[in-house]
Amino acid sequence: AQSVTQPDIHITVSEGASLELRCNYSYGATPYLFWYVQSPGQGLQLLLKYFSGDTLVQGIKGFEAEFKRSQSSFNLRKPSVHWSDAAEYFCAVGARGNTPLVFGKGTRLSVIA
Amino acid sequence: DVKVTQSSRYLVKRTGEKVFLECVQDMDHENMFWYRQDPGLGLRLIYFSYDVKMKEKGDIPEGYSVSREKKERFSLILESASTNQTSMYLCASRSSGTGPGKTQYFGPGTRLLVL
Repeated sequence: AQSVTQPDIHITVSEGASLELRCNYSYGATPYLFWYVQSPGQGLQLLLKYFSGDTLVQGIKGFEAEFKRSQSSFNLRKPSVHWSDAAEYFCAVGARGNTPLVFGKGTRLSVIA
Repeated sequence: DVKVTQSSRYLVKRTGEKVFLECVQDMDHENMFWYRQDPGLGLRLIYFSYDVKMKEKGDIPEGYSVSREKKERFSLILESASTNQTSMYLCASRSSGTGPGKTQYFGPGTRLLVL
């Protein structure tokens, strides 16, 4: 069975600074990988996804993520954080076949001036 | 755009009441899911459905049941609400294909308070 670890529960960054959110997964084959964002009181919105091919994936709102098979990681990055990026971020892994996604516990991002 | 709607954004119920949470999707998706979200615990899968009249237990099905009579609608039922079911409930749907079809689309959530 697959699993996801997001090691950081809460991260605080200054506006304009770069951001990296960590995600490690466990799965025996090539996974499907996702990053979702949740603003307070809202549902989850898809930021980006990896299925195959280029390991650097571009998403919405200026985010990107890199799939590193050797490290079982799919870290999310943004070069310059805006105050509106403050939210909770979830990494998820999907297996081949018809099983549900498995989510990490999330990383809460705070942005300070 | 995929649209997943949930019948209520906020709900307040009394202990012992039977509670229905409704979810509707407009993209003809085969798969639908119910999660609950609690601080520090992330998203936990309650039930999911691969197709009409089909259901599978997730990680925490106790105290819940589901109904999928039509493809677009997936209902979560709390048979006798308890205070420990106070939570945010999220519905999601996706097509049954592989590759990009694996993306799950979420509704806005229902915040349930059981008194």
